[in-house]
Amino acid sequence: QQQVKQSPQSLIVQKGGISIINCAYENTAFDYFPWYQQFPGKGPALLIAIRPDVSEKKEGRFTISFNKSAKQFSLHIMDSQPGDSATYFCAASMKGGSEKLVFGKGTKLTVNP
Amino acid sequence: DGGITQSPKYLFRKEGQNVTLSCEQNLNHDAMYWYRQDPGQGLRLIYYSQIVNDFQKGDIAEGYSVSREKKESFPLTVTSAQKNPTAFYLCASSMGPAGERPQHFGDGTRLSIL
Repeated sequence: QQQVKQSPQSLIVQKGGISIINCAYENTAFDYFPWYQQFPGKGPALLIAIRPDVSEKKEGRFTISFNKSAKQFSLHIMDSQPGDSATYFCAASMKGGSEKLVFGKGTKLTVNP
Repeated sequence: DGGITQSPKYLFRKEGQNVTLSCEQNLNHDAMYWYRQDPGQGLRLIYYSQIVNDFQKGDIAEGYSVSREKKESFPLTVTSAQKNPTAFYLCASSMGPAGERPQHFGDGTRLSIL
């Protein structure tokens, strides 16, 4: 119940295309869902986050879509660029004092020029 | 600039040796975390600390130890009891609990066996 399942494991997209990464969870107590972006040799950096009271959140070319009934959330990268090539992690946590972020296993995105 | 500094960037451990990874933050964050990252495995929580002089085990604490004597410092010791220490170790900090405040990460220490 503590798992977050992320797919696909790897993704290749052409420049200008849309990249879509999906995550699913079981624990209905999760109520904070961040996405992190990690470049090789670096630590993850927070990209965008959402709470279940909204179905979509957009920041520039990055959009999180959230489906509470299906217990799924996804990251969409519009107009993908070679500089977006990185590993993306979804995560989930519970409000109310929990210190634990549960991470998906990551998706390696390659955007070809 | 505020941030998290991990050192060294690369570390090699001999059999039977304990090694200590450094993590320092100047963000004035209360909470600090250690994660282990293996290829294709995501990030797994080793230890976390919400306040000075207090810390809790995460999911994979066996073979590791920590201390939190100062707010800005959270060193991780990989002991000889950790039989598979080769991994990328990440330190993070946050202003508050994981479910309420984002975690900020350092750039990691890559540990290898000699």
